[in-house]
Amino acid sequence: AQKITQTQPGMFVQEKEAVTLDCTYDTSDPSYGLFWYKQPSSGEMIFLIYQGSYDQQNATEGRYSLNFQKARKSANLVISASQLGDSAMYFCAMSSNDYKLSFGAGTTVTVRA
Amino acid sequence: SQTIHQWPATLVQPVGSPLSLECTVEGTSNPNLYWYRQAAGRGLQLLFYSVGIGQISSEVPQNLSASRPQDRQFILSSKKLLLSDSGFYLCAWSSLTGFLRYEQYFGPGTRLTVT
Repeated sequence: AQKITQTQPGMFVQEKEAVTLDCTYDTSDPSYGLFWYKQPSSGEMIFLIYQGSYDQQNATEGRYSLNFQKARKSANLVISASQLGDSAMYFCAMSSNDYKLSFGAGTTVTVRA
Repeated sequence: SQTIHQWPATLVQPVGSPLSLECTVEGTSNPNLYWYRQAAGRGLQLLFYSVGIGQISSEVPQNLSASRPQDRQFILSSKKLLLSDSGFYLCAWSSLTGFLRYEQYFGPGTRLTVT
């Protein structure tokens, strides 16, 4: 069984600073994918970034980067130069040999001006 | 480009009444389709997923059911709603874009309140 753990229920970050959101996972599958999603107050889930378990380099998408440490089973999301619009809930998720995603409990990020 | 629609956006229903939530996807064919429920401030719970017309997999036993009458249409139903069915319902679609890369794209959601 897969399990995603996000231990930070809420975080505050100053505008223009970077923030790291923690995510650890547990799986016995040798191949898997890791995802991060953003959920603003409107409720829609927005796909941010993907990391494959066999990818040699950490994924980056604009201001988002994924710090993938396979041996530690962690896939932390780094948001650089935070903006007020980054205030939202962020979910880490994982897929393996099927079509499903397992989601963590989420971390709420509040960006302060 | 692909788009996903859900309706209604909000719904208030009495206990014991039926439910029908609809989701449609445009701009892709043979997508995998998903229904999730989210309680306030919580994570997502996968309810159903479908890899083709008429193929439904249930993840959680409950009084809800799902159907896929057309390739890009996914319907969530209940014959009699319970208070515990209140929540935010999200539909999503995915297709294979790389090795094990089934990234999912979500609709705007339906906020259901059972009174």
